[in-house]
Amino acid sequence: AQTVTQSQPEMSVQEAETVTLSCTYDTSENNYYLFWYKQPPSRQMILVIRQEAYKQQNATENRFSVNFQKAAKSFSLKISDSQLGDTAMYFCAFMKDLMNRDDKIIFGKGTRLHILP
Amino acid sequence: EPEVTQTPSHQVTQMGQEVILRCVPISNHLYFYWYRQILGQKVEFLVSFYNNEISEKSEIFDDQFSVERPDGSNFTLKIRSTKLEDSAMYFCASSERVGQRDQPQHFGDGTRLSIL
Repeated sequence: AQTVTQSQPEMSVQEAETVTLSCTYDTSENNYYLFWYKQPPSRQMILVIRQEAYKQQNATENRFSVNFQKAAKSFSLKISDSQLGDTAMYFCAFMKDLMNRDDKIIFGKGTRLHILP
Repeated sequence: EPEVTQTPSHQVTQMGQEVILRCVPISNHLYFYWYRQILGQKVEFLVSFYNNEISEKSEIFDDQFSVERPDGSNFTLKIRSTKLEDSAMYFCASSERVGQRDQPQHFGDGTRLSIL
């Protein structure tokens, strides 16, 4: 069974700083997807970034980037130039390859990130 | 941008009562999901639904739970006889198809279910 572990329940950083959120996972699959979801106080979960396991290049989306280490099964999220609007709960998540009918998302427990003014 | 919408945003129900949580998935999506998040815990998969039948369900999704797509737009989760431990945030999600390489699942805002 797949598991996702986020070891940082809560973090706080000053606005404009860079912050890294950690995530490790366990799977025997070779092809899969990894995600970071953001859940701000308004509650809707929003996809921040995704990584396909067969791609070696780390995904980036503007200020958000990941450090994907497949052998170590590590998938950290880096937020550069953090903004007050980045304050949210961040979930690391795993899904088997989209061609598989087993397409449920497995979430970590989340990291609550506070961006301080 | 199209969104998954869920109603109500907050539902308060007496223990033992039936509750129905409603979701309107994105219109061209064919795969539907329910997840729940007990306060302070991780988001957990409940059930996936495609072509008018359950594709997969978790251990949580016991006989007290059922899902239905009663018409072309709604996707509902029913809990027949609620228990205190059913109190949670329930998220609906939908996706266009398996194999879609864009965002696989779009989530709604959630319904907070409180069982008294």
